[in-house]
Amino acid sequence: AQKVTQAQTEISVVEKEDVTLDCVYETRDTTYYLFWYKQPPSGELVFLIRRNSFDEQNEISGRYSWNFQKSTSSFNFTITASQVVDSAVYFCALGPSGTYKYIFGTGTRLKVLA
Amino acid sequence: GAGVSQSPSNKVTEKGKDVELRCDPISGHTALYWYRQSLGQGLEFLIYFQGNSAPDKSGLPSDRFSAERTGGSVSTLTIQRTQQEDSAVYLCASSFEGYTQYFGPGTRLTVL
Repeated sequence: AQKVTQAQTEISVVEKEDVTLDCVYETRDTTYYLFWYKQPPSGELVFLIRRNSFDEQNEISGRYSWNFQKSTSSFNFTITASQVVDSAVYFCALGPSGTYKYIFGTGTRLKVLA
Repeated sequence: GAGVSQSPSNKVTEKGKDVELRCDPISGHTALYWYRQSLGQGLEFLIYFQGNSAPDKSGLPSDRFSAERTGGSVSTLTIQRTQQEDSAVYLCASSFEGYTQYFGPGTRLTVL
């Protein structure tokens, strides 16, 4: 079975704190893609990152970083020095091989308090 | 370039009426997807179109739901005889082949 689990339903942090959003996936495919999307209060999903299964290098983009570990089937997302504008629901998704259908996690609502 | 657009942004209808939701994908994108997101929930896959292939309708919740894509571009999702449980945000996304999906702003459907 293919599945994405985001165990953290909601996280609250104070501005400038670092926060990590967890994502655990299940697949038997050797080739697949992993994604993170941000859904701010406006509602539109914004693409953040795509990672393929053969590339385990961590990625950093400004205050955002992603840690992909195949050994633990995890693709975690860290926001450094969080800001109020980071408040949103964040979705992790799995794109299995041979299909265009993504499997989304249930999302983690992040609240960054001023 | 322009992103995915959807119309209307909001739709209020009465139970039993039919509704049509429209999606304009990013120009050049070959694949188009519809999802449903109920309040506070994740994304539920409904259907996707890829080029001239038969659409994958495996996520449509009932035969009251249908979708078409004309000319490989614009898509319309139709819900017949709407029910209150159909109330949700309907999201459309497009991608070039199977690459990254880019989402539209959604249509919020409220069935009274």
